[in-house]
Amino acid sequence: RKEVEQDPGPFNVPEGATVAFNCTYSNSASQSFFWYRQDCRKEPKLLMSVYSSGNEDGRFTAQLNRASQYISLLIRDSKLSDSATYLCVVNEGFQKLVFGTGTRLLVSP
Amino acid sequence: EADIYQTPRYLVIGTGKKITLECSQTMGHDKMYWYQQDPGMELHLIHYSYGVNSTEKGDLSSESTVSRIRTEHFPLTLESARPSHTSQYLCASSGWQDTDTQYFGPGTRLTVL
Repeated sequence: RKEVEQDPGPFNVPEGATVAFNCTYSNSASQSFFWYRQDCRKEPKLLMSVYSSGNEDGRFTAQLNRASQYISLLIRDSKLSDSATYLCVVNEGFQKLVFGTGTRLLVSP
Repeated sequence: EADIYQTPRYLVIGTGKKITLECSQTMGHDKMYWYQQDPGMELHLIHYSYGVNSTEKGDLSSESTVSRIRTEHFPLTLESARPSHTSQYLCASSGWQDTDTQYFGPGTRLTVL
């Protein structure tokens, strides 16, 4: 079983749609959680950190459920520029980051 | 925007050559990392460093070596490149807190013929 699991997609959605990505992690001692965005052939860039209370940044909302070891990302009003791969990332402590394989999102006109 | 740089961005080289991939950051971060990523696959940690003169191997076994003589500089060396080393190599750095973001360089895409 992978330490961080994501549905690889692709998720094909029209502009304006709402889309949700899920991620599960296996290490219950994990310390912190992030969503990174990676464009094709580019480096990953932090999209947002994920807090237990849930957090929102504009059109993006992240949720963490420690009991179920589950993280989610919701994107509202999808834009063409949101097309990318979204990486679920878990910090297992001492800055040991474990990356999921990513979920690919394609937003079409 | 992250201040972390990698050179070269692209490298095509023959088997058996020695190569060094450069990584430098101007954020004063003590922690630095090297990841390897094949197309469509997840990132795997191959080396990391907690500071000057500290180097550790990551989860993925790699024939590469690293050095950390200066805080801002974390080069990766392959003594004898092979086709199996063909991949994207990403350098990153962070602060000490577990909640600190890791910032990534633009990567070096290595092709060994």
